[in-house]
Amino acid sequence: DIQMTQSPSTLSASVGDRVTITCRASQSISTWLAWYQQKPGKAPKLLIYKASSLERGVPSRFSGSGSGTEFTLTISSLQPDDFATYYCQQYESYLTFGQGTKVEIK
Amino acid sequence: QVQLQESGPGLVKPSETLSLTCTVSGYSISSGYYWGWIRQPPGKGLEWIANIYHNGDTYYNPSLKSRVTISLDTSKNQLSLQLSSVTVADTAVYYCARGGYSPTYYMDVWGKGTTVTVSS
Repeated sequence: DIQMTQSPSTLSASVGDRVTITCRASQSISTWLAWYQQKPGKAPKLLIYKASSLERGVPSRFSGSGSGTEFTLTISSLQPDDFATYYCQQYESYLTFGQGTKVEIK
Repeated sequence: QVQLQESGPGLVKPSETLSLTCTVSGYSISSGYYWGWIRQPPGKGLEWIANIYHNGDTYYNPSLKSRVTISLDTSKNQLSLQLSSVTVADTAVYYCARGGYSPTYYMDVWGKGTTVTVSS
């Protein structure tokens, strides 16, 4: 099984901050990584696929990078709508998700 | 615009079988893509359960495989999930979602989810 570990688990930030979330895979997954945003009571929303490709309609302040075992999701300037929980997901072998990173208001 | 809607009983007794249906609109599931189920226990993260291709090929999470059956009804444009011998640990929000053209892929369209509680 490929394990996905996100850090931090919780992140406190202010509107306008640059925010970075890290996701590490227990073995190499090339660039087979996606990022999702989830708000309370809602389904996850796809933000990034293949590590760095922005899903259609997602604001350009979201970006992804990395390959192999280490990946990052960056929000260049945090907006009020971005306070949510973010999950990474590998799809190199089966599908597994990270435990989530909650971005909360500082 | 592709939309997915989960349905099924909100309460299931321990040891019984959980059965859910996902109705797809805006796209014919027989045309392509993998379709799958993901669940989220209260206050916890996401767990992938299974995927199925439009031709019926299935792909299961090894940790759940012995209890899970995923199927398609192309005449109704639906996919279904059965999870047998449920316990309280199976209490979760269950989502259906669209994958890609391989069994391992990201999910780009999700249903709103349906809450299932396992309790006597």
